[in-house]
Amino acid sequence: DTEVTQTPKHLVMGMTNKKSLKCEQHMGHRAMYWYKQKAKKPPELMFVYSYEKLSINESVPSRFSPECPNSSLLNLHLHALQPEDSALYLCASSPGATIQETQYFGPGTRLLVL
Amino acid sequence: AQSVTQLGSHVSVSEGALVLLRCNYSSSVPPYLFWYVQYPNQGLQLLLKYTSAATLVKGINGFEAEFKKSETSFHLTKPSAHMSDAAEYFCAVSLNTGNQFYFGTGTSLTVIP
Repeated sequence: DTEVTQTPKHLVMGMTNKKSLKCEQHMGHRAMYWYKQKAKKPPELMFVYSYEKLSINESVPSRFSPECPNSSLLNLHLHALQPEDSALYLCASSPGATIQETQYFGPGTRLLVL
Repeated sequence: AQSVTQLGSHVSVSEGALVLLRCNYSSSVPPYLFWYVQYPNQGLQLLLKYTSAATLVKGINGFEAEFKKSETSFHLTKPSAHMSDAAEYFCAVSLNTGNQFYFGTGTSLTVIP
């Protein structure tokens, strides 16, 4: 298996909802990443997990809560989001634990917050 | 501080023409440099990566990039554009120390038949 998968592909949620995004990789990669990408903009790094530990948090609001239950799985828990949080959320993984490694991206989850 | 600048948010080329997408970086030490491509409604895919092993880096799909320290540039080229090359291209930079990784603002490539 040489890909990063993300579920769901699309998600619509209200501002009072709680939802989760899921990302999986079975390539034995040691680091996993969450990015947020607004339309016509570059991806913005949100979180990095290295060896299942949170190593980077780019000052992301607490309404976004990452979780790495094991080396293959990365979740992003969403609660009390705002309409401006609507975006494409990309997950990536890399073989090594440093951010200089090549990152392999999933197709993303397109989130709409109403 | 480090940053990456992509000149030209939109580039149009004719099918078969040379593709040149520009990227300049700002770093006090030699960085790692990347070019990623994003097709519509998809994630990003690595085209190529510079890690100081060679200044001319060959990537997938016929793309290559040359690291020029004197110009702090890492421009992406392809000799002959195909329709399938139409996509968004991102240059990215990271130092070999620290935990910083930055994408440029992206260049949208249109290929005209």
